[in-house]
Amino acid sequence: EAGVAQSPRYKIIEKRQSVAFWCNPISGHATLYWYQQILGQGPKLLIQFQNNGVVDDSQLPKDRFSAERLKGVDSTLKIQPAKLEDSAVYLCASSLGSGDQPQHFGDGTRLSIL
Amino acid sequence: GENVEQHPSTLSVQEGDSAVIKCTYSDSASNYFPWYKQELGKGPQLIIDIRSNVGEKKDQRIAVTLNKTAKHFSLHITETQPEDSAVYFCAASMNNQGGKLIFGQGTELSVKP
Repeated sequence: EAGVAQSPRYKIIEKRQSVAFWCNPISGHATLYWYQQILGQGPKLLIQFQNNGVVDDSQLPKDRFSAERLKGVDSTLKIQPAKLEDSAVYLCASSLGSGDQPQHFGDGTRLSIL
Repeated sequence: GENVEQHPSTLSVQEGDSAVIKCTYSDSASNYFPWYKQELGKGPQLIIDIRSNVGEKKDQRIAVTLNKTAKHFSLHITETQPEDSAVYFCAASMNNQGGKLIFGQGTELSVKP
């Protein structure tokens, strides 16, 4: 089966600019997650969707980050305006359902802020 | 909230030796514990997981043990090979938290030929 697809793989922008990331989960997976991974650390959850509804966005900096999953399949994560501390890898993961279902990750988008 | 501590941060072994990575968690309600392997430039890859109703699980050269009383779990890799070199992450989650994974800080494993 095809894995989680993410694009772009790399993005370089200047601070205060905007950027968007795209994720296509594994077919049939109802739950989609966006994680932020800062260099040298483990991933940290930003937002979780169940189909097209938000389950958990408690760690999402809502003044600058937004995410949507309008049709319950693909998802986009946006940052506007970007700050230097947003430099990280943004990982998308999906699972069949929530709870103790295995999460499968894409290869991420590496974002560098100048 | 849940906190996961992982040790050691770096581990170097000779090819053929065993490697052990340990994690502790803080919330006794956590019930799912996956382990991920992350290679440079790649996303985390699930290698094994264990649920709280099981004490041990094995898959070829990889095994995971769980001690619910002490709130710690460990990854054991036997007969290590150079291709096992990567960063390994443990994680914990709770059913009543929707499956959000809380990750440890990672262990960089180096297997010397």
